[in-house]
Amino acid sequence: EAGVAQSPRYKIIEKRQSVAFWCNPISGHATLYWYQQILGQGPKLLIQFQNNGVVDDSQLPKDRFSAERLKGVDSTLKIQPAKLEDSAVYLCASRPGTRETQYFGPGTRLLVL
Amino acid sequence: GDSVTQMEGPVTLSEEACLTINCTYTATGYPSLFWYVQYPGEGLQLLLKATKADDKGSNKGFEATYRKETTSFHLEKGSVQVSDSAVYFCALGDYKLSFGAGTTVTVRA
Repeated sequence: EAGVAQSPRYKIIEKRQSVAFWCNPISGHATLYWYQQILGQGPKLLIQFQNNGVVDDSQLPKDRFSAERLKGVDSTLKIQPAKLEDSAVYLCASRPGTRETQYFGPGTRLLVL
Repeated sequence: GDSVTQMEGPVTLSEEACLTINCTYTATGYPSLFWYVQYPGEGLQLLLKATKADDKGSNKGFEATYRKETTSFHLEKGSVQVSDSAVYFCALGDYKLSFGAGTTVTVRA
């Protein structure tokens, strides 16, 4: 079974630029999450989707971050404009329903200069 | 809100030594508890989990018991190997996960 796929793996941008990350969850997984992991810290939830609807985006900085999950499969997370403090690893995770184990992708490492 | 407090690192051990990483939690109700591991350059992998009080999760020689009385979920391994060098995260939650800060473990040959 293929795991959660993410791209790109690495991205370097300058502050005030925009960037987008892509996630393809495990086939059949209805629930998808985006986490932000700052160096030296544990992952922090940004947004949770159930199929193509948002369940929880309370921790998403909506003035600069946006996410969508069209057709309830792939998802895109965008930052516009980026700030230095956005430098982090962005992790995507998925699970079949709402209470099962979450499976994580390899992450996208973002560096904002 | 629900949260976990994890033993700070880094931890450096010799091969075959015993490892314990402390994790305590604060939660309303009794959420599932997890240990995730992150090997260098890789994503998070589920190491073990426990879904109710007194449950013991185990995998790859690691164990952790869900202790309601002490609100703890300490990770233990009796004899570590170099390949166990990684960052270990304690987490809790049923619908969304709350993670600890992580503990970096380095095992020397």
